[in-house]
Amino acid sequence: DTVLTQSPALAVSPGERVSISCRASEGVNSYMHWYQQKPGQQPKLLIYKASNLASGVPARFSGSGSGTDFTLTIDPVEADDTATYFCQQSWNDPYTFGAGTKLELK
Amino acid sequence: QVQLKETGPDLVQLTQTLSITCTVSGFSLTTYNVHWVRQPPGKGLEWMGAMWNGGGTDYNSAFKSRLSISRDTSKSQVFLKMNSLQTDDTAKYFCARTTGDWFAYWGQGTLVTVSS
Repeated sequence: DTVLTQSPALAVSPGERVSISCRASEGVNSYMHWYQQKPGQQPKLLIYKASNLASGVPARFSGSGSGTDFTLTIDPVEADDTATYFCQQSWNDPYTFGAGTKLELK
Repeated sequence: QVQLKETGPDLVQLTQTLSITCTVSGFSLTTYNVHWVRQPPGKGLEWMGAMWNGGGTDYNSAFKSRLSISRDTSKSQVFLKMNSLQTDDTAKYFCARTTGDWFAYWGQGTLVTVSS
């Protein structure tokens, strides 16, 4: 299975820029997607196919990367962005998710 | 608008079978694929399997021997059945609809506890 590695946690101040990384154990082309999950809620799609902003998602969120290294960037970070962010690949079977990066605001 | 809702038991006994229904609205099961994803408490997400719009299925090999996904298009429902439950099957189970290969819409999930 394709293992997706994310840093476990980040802490930033409101107004700053934050980059969340996701590294795949094998190439996934551009088929990397990003989700935001708040406690007790279902995940919400933010970015699909590496760099495409999902409908209704603020332009503060952006994605980049291809192959094995991907980044979700939030600029500027707002208080409401406190959540866990997951990457997910759909290039290799089975679909897999990263373990998530918990974003906290200082 | 697109909606998915999971219904199932809160509690299942060890070694028994879990059955969850995903009822969808706002789209057709013959047009879009519906997947099952689970999340143990405090942990990450795990893809379980899919019901393709053409009626075929795909399963994560981690579950293949005990997982079954089916549907009733007339009722707009997708079903998950998993047998031989263990305590580490305790999780919130989500159904989700893909647009392309990404999970664009999710149900709220249903929390299932496996009890000994």
